[in-house]
Amino acid sequence: AQSVAQPEDQVNVAEGNPLTVKCTYSVSGNPYLFWYVQYPNRGLQFLLKYITGDNLVKGSYGFEAEFNKSQTSFHLKKPSALVSDSALYFCAVRDALDTNAGKSTFGDGTTLTVKP
Amino acid sequence: ETGVTQTPRHLVMGMTNKKSLKCEQHLGHNAMYWYKQSAKKPLELMFVYNFKEQTENNSVPSRFSPECPNSSHLFLHLHTLQPEDSALYLCASSLGLAENTGELFFGEGSRLTVL
Repeated sequence: AQSVAQPEDQVNVAEGNPLTVKCTYSVSGNPYLFWYVQYPNRGLQFLLKYITGDNLVKGSYGFEAEFNKSQTSFHLKKPSALVSDSALYFCAVRDALDTNAGKSTFGDGTTLTVKP
Repeated sequence: ETGVTQTPRHLVMGMTNKKSLKCEQHLGHNAMYWYKQSAKKPLELMFVYNFKEQTENNSVPSRFSPECPNSSHLFLHLHTLQPEDSALYLCASSLGLAENTGELFFGEGSRLTVL
């Protein structure tokens, strides 16, 4: 069985400060890891993914995430937050052996609020 | 134009009504999905189609009936729904089930309210 934990329901940061949204995972084999963002009344948008290779993954809108195998974590980061980054963020994991993208397990989501 | 288009964006229906949700993807993908997103609950996978064949039904009640006439279109037919079925229904697509490194591309969702 696979699982994802996003330990913080809410993250608040001031504009211009660095932000981190935490994600830990559990999967029996090698993980494929994803971050998605959801703005109010919109669908989920893909931000970035880790499949293999470099542990630091860069994605859309200046976001990046670091895969840490020993800590089974995949935290989302951005050096300087913008008010427009305020949204709901989802981490997702899938076993690399599973060919079905729909088999990704999503976390419960973290609401990021960036204040001016 | 977004890659995955869902209509209608909002739907209000009574428990005895029959309605349908439509999803169309313009990305050339071969796999399509229906998800249910309810407040305070994790995202729930409902159905998976690959090359218009259903590959997964995640124990969804029969009052939800999917249809996939081709790889670009996906429908969710709704009948005799319950108020607890009120949720945001998200359609998604991906390259195909053989391309397992792919991410999901989501539509904007259809907000369903059952009275």
